[in-house]
Amino acid sequence: AQKITQTQPGMFVQEKEAVTLDCTYDTSDQSYGLFWYKQPSSGEMIFLIYQGSYDEQNATEGRYSLNFQKARKSANLVISASQLGDSAMYFCAMRYNSGTYKYIFGTGTRLKVLA
Amino acid sequence: DAGITQSPRHKVTETGTPVTLRCHQTENHRYMYWYRQDPGHGLRLIHYSYGVKDTDKGEVSDGYSVSRSKTEDFLLTLESATSSQTSVYFCANWAGQSNQPQHFGDGTRLSIL
Repeated sequence: AQKITQTQPGMFVQEKEAVTLDCTYDTSDQSYGLFWYKQPSSGEMIFLIYQGSYDEQNATEGRYSLNFQKARKSANLVISASQLGDSAMYFCAMRYNSGTYKYIFGTGTRLKVLA
Repeated sequence: DAGITQSPRHKVTETGTPVTLRCHQTENHRYMYWYRQDPGHGLRLIHYSYGVKDTDKGEVSDGYSVSRSKTEDFLLTLESATSSQTSVYFCANWAGQSNQPQHFGDGTRLSIL
């Protein structure tokens, strides 16, 4: 069955340091998309970064990069130079590309950036 | 701005009453989704739509129905609300391009007493 696993319920990082949030997925499909979203305490869902299953290079968006290891089925989010405003809940998600285009989400990692 | 509006934003109701949540988009995207968010569970898909009058179930569809009579509106109905359906509900849309993400509405906080 398709599944997204985020094993870190909560993490702390010092301001200006880098942090990696883990995400593993399970699928038998060859075509899929991987996403990371940020949910601050205000509640909205903010898209951060996307990686397609056929993309050979890791995705980057500003301070966000996605460490995509297809053979290991992992899609870790790396945040460089953490800022206080990065404190939030982070969700990893996968979209099936096999006709249904459903999404599944992990349970999230709550990140706290310390001054 | 993905142009998704959810209404109402907050609702308190009693067990056994019907409840309808509305999701309205301005972009005319083909795909629309309803999720619920509960502590420890992340977001779970309730139902989704891949076109007008075309809908399918997600992983937690029991007790919910949906309708999409026009592209811009996707309605979620709880026919007889139960306390287990107390949650935050999010609507999302997607244009259908593989490198484009879903965009979400601001959520509806629903409390069933």
